[in-house]
Amino acid sequence: AQKITQTQPGMFVQEKEAVTLDCTYDTSDQSYGLFWYKQPSSGEMIFLIYQGSYDEQNATEGRYSLNFQKARKSANLVISASQLGDSAMYFCAMRGTHNTDKLIFGTGTRLQVFP
Amino acid sequence: NAGVTQTPKFRVLKTGQSMTLLCAQDMNHEYMYWYRQDPGMGLRLIHYSVGEGTTAKGEVPDGYNVSRLKKQNFLLGLESAAPSQTSVYFCASTRGTAGEQYFGPGTRLTVT
Repeated sequence: AQKITQTQPGMFVQEKEAVTLDCTYDTSDQSYGLFWYKQPSSGEMIFLIYQGSYDEQNATEGRYSLNFQKARKSANLVISASQLGDSAMYFCAMRGTHNTDKLIFGTGTRLQVFP
Repeated sequence: NAGVTQTPKFRVLKTGQSMTLLCAQDMNHEYMYWYRQDPGMGLRLIHYSVGEGTTAKGEVPDGYNVSRLKKQNFLLGLESAAPSQTSVYFCASTRGTAGEQYFGPGTRLTVT
């Protein structure tokens, strides 16, 4: 069975510093996708970044990058130059290869950015 | 282009009442999903649909039914609401070729 584990319930970071949010996954699929979503206090789910299991390079989207270590089954999100607006819940999710595009979510990490 | 919309945004039900949550998308997506979000548990898949007229069970389907009569709409029904169904419900859609899922704004449901 597929599983996503986020072991950090909460993280603090100072403005302008970088922060890494951890995500490990478990799957027997050879082809899969990993996602990160942001959920601010307003409640909507915002897509941040995607990494395919066959992608050779780590994904990057602006200040977001995904540190993908396939052998370790980890897909950590790195946020560079944190901003106060980055304070939110962050969810890691995985999609398998069963032609349904279903996502399995982790329990999330609450990030708080302080001045 | 509204993306994914959900109706209603908030609802309070008494135990045993029924209701239907409506999800609509205007992106011509094939796949649609209903998730529930509970504190400390992330999002869990209730039901999903890979095309008009088709539905399938997700991780936590008990107590819910769904219908996909039109490609753009995905309905989630609660026939007899229970306090355990108090949650935030999210609808999502994707074109079905391994793209990202687009989420609606959520529906906060309280069952007393």
